Amino acid sequence: TQLLEQSPQFLSIQEGENLTVYCNSSSVFSSLQWYRQEPGEGPVLLVTVVTGGEVKKLKRLTFQFGDARKDSSLHITAAQPGDTGLYLCAGELVRGAQKLVFGQGTRLTINP
Amino acid sequence: NAGVTQTPKFRVLKTGQSMTLLCAQDMNHEYMYWYRQDPGMGLRLIHYSVGEGTTAKGEVPDGYNVSRLKKQNFLLGLESAAPSQTSVYFCASSYSGVGGIYNEQFFGPGTRLTVL
Repeated sequence: TQLLEQSPQFLSIQEGENLTVYCNSSSVFSSLQWYRQEPGEGPVLLVTVVTGGEVKKLKRLTFQFGDARKDSSLHITAAQPGDTGLYLCAGELVRGAQKLVFGQGTRLTINP
Repeated sequence: NAGVTQTPKFRVLKTGQSMTLLCAQDMNHEYMYWYRQDPGMGLRLIHYSVGEGTTAKGEVPDGYNVSRLKKQNFLLGLESAAPSQTSVYFCASSYSGVGGIYNEQFFGPGTRLTVL
């Protein structure tokens, strides 16, 4: 059983469409991160959210941390083929523990 | 700076063989981690280290050992490889955060290991 459940696990959409990826848990996290991974490479950090209800924007990507700090979402506006990749959420259960728990990932494909 | 490097990139082992995966970072990070990535499972923490000479178990430590003799290196050993250890292994490092705020982990490119 995954502590962090991501949905959907696979998503294939057309260029220009909007999409949302969800990361849910029954546990409270002190912080939550989103990483993006391309084939043959390691994950790269996109954002860290630490406050319940926090919203961060990175160009066309919007990240939100749930009010209760149990869930997060990633919304992409006007998706582009360059957004294709594996998106991973990762949370820190105890502040300062310096350990992350990862979700299983969402494999996103944007078709031209 | 090279960041986080991993050696080797690919390896095929027979059941029962042993091997060591090497991770090196040049960012003077305190914390280092070993993960394995399997389809549909995300990244699972094997072992980690909060400083030179210290190691701790993660979520899936069985069948693996680690050592951190130097701050910049973190070694992952498989004493007797099993087919269930076929996976992609990632090393990561991070620096200690100010005020306990979690800081980003920097990942290596991975090692693809197949155990026959």
